[in-house]
Amino acid sequence: TQLLEQSPQFLSIQEGENLTVYCNSSSVFSSLQWYRQEPGEGPVLLVTVVTGGEVKKLKRLTFQFGDARKDSSLHITAAQPGDTGLYLCAGGHNAGNMLTFGGGTRLMVKP
Amino acid sequence: EAGVTQSPTHLIKTRGQQATLRCSPISGHTSVYWYQQALGLGLQFLLWYDEGEERNRGNFPPRFSGRQFPNYSSELNVNALELEDSALYLCASSRTGLGYTFGSGTRLTVV
Repeated sequence: TQLLEQSPQFLSIQEGENLTVYCNSSSVFSSLQWYRQEPGEGPVLLVTVVTGGEVKKLKRLTFQFGDARKDSSLHITAAQPGDTGLYLCAGGHNAGNMLTFGGGTRLMVKP
Repeated sequence: EAGVTQSPTHLIKTRGQQATLRCSPISGHTSVYWYQQALGLGLQFLLWYDEGEERNRGNFPPRFSGRQFPNYSSELNVNALELEDSALYLCASSRTGLGYTFGSGTRLTVV
């Protein structure tokens, strides 16, 4: 079983602060995806990274895939209350189009 | 384009009963994935269907089963319900496997 560990599990910060969420594994993944989930809804895809060392930016969010394709990070600059939610990383496998999800990081941004 | 639709939204069953959950993928997506999410945490992989065939299943007992119909919609059946089966059941569809589109889920409560 390929496991993805996310840290921290919970994060509560003030509006305007920066934060980084980590996603680590001992296994290599063909791709790494980040999702955000709000209460009562399914996860929504934020980004997919496929190349080791790849960095993608989505407004105030910066995603990085580790060189060895075993880990990833999500950095949020100047967090806003609208960023509140459950952030999930998911590793893709070459065979089967299946994703393995991390345990999630629950972020709360206080105004 | 219509998203992934799941029904029912909520389902309350008694221990020992059977539950049937339904999912309609995005038009053109042939793969359907089922995940279980307990207590708003990470997603546990249940089943993957593609082109009407079960391609893989997660570490769940045989009382979790399903099928995919010719129109690519899917059904998840849970027999002999147990209290621990209470969770949000998410369905996702994909065409390339690089990104999932999730439905809003079915909240199953077993009493």
